[in-house]
Amino acid sequence: AQSVTQPDIHITVSEGASLELRCNYSYGATPYLFWYVQSPGQGLQLLLKYFSGDTLVQGIKGFEAEFKRSQSSFNLRKPSVHWSDAAEYFCAVGANRGGNKLTFGTGTQLKVEL
Amino acid sequence: DAGITQSPRHKVTETGTPVTLRCHQTENHRYMYWYRQDPGHGLRLIHYSYGVKDTDKGEVSDGYSVSRSKTEDFLLTLESATSSQTSVYFCAISGGVEAFFGQGTRLTVV
Repeated sequence: AQSVTQPDIHITVSEGASLELRCNYSYGATPYLFWYVQSPGQGLQLLLKYFSGDTLVQGIKGFEAEFKRSQSSFNLRKPSVHWSDAAEYFCAVGANRGGNKLTFGTGTQLKVEL
Repeated sequence: DAGITQSPRHKVTETGTPVTLRCHQTENHRYMYWYRQDPGHGLRLIHYSYGVKDTDKGEVSDGYSVSRSKTEDFLLTLESATSSQTSVYFCAISGGVEAFFGQGTRLTVV
């Protein structure tokens, strides 16, 4: 069975500082990996995705993530955080078969200090 | 935003009553999903559909049923609501790879 671990429940960074959110997954084959962001009272917005190929993927809002098969990780990074990045971030893994049912991590709440 | 509409957006209901949540899409995507979001659990899959009249159970399907009679509509029914079903429910759609989410329905069972 697939699973996702986001070890950090809360993270606080200063505006302008760099950010790395951790995600570890468990899946028997090559997974589909995703990062979503959720602002309060809103749905989930897709930040980026990895299917295959280049292990460093670029997403929206200046985010990037790196797939490391040897570490079963897919960490999300941003070089300079903006106050508007404060939100909850979810990592998800999907089966690379039809339907792509997603398994989510428990989320990381990001707070940005001005 | 992907064309997904969830209704209602908020609902308060009493224990033991049936409740139906609706998800409507305008993208003609094959796959539709219902997830629930609870603090400390992230999102968990309740049921999903891979075509009209084709549905299957997810991780937390007990107490829920679904129906999909048209490509664009996916209904989630709580046969007899319980307090443990108080949650935020999200519908998602997919053409097969990435999923797009609706705005959610906040359901409170009192």
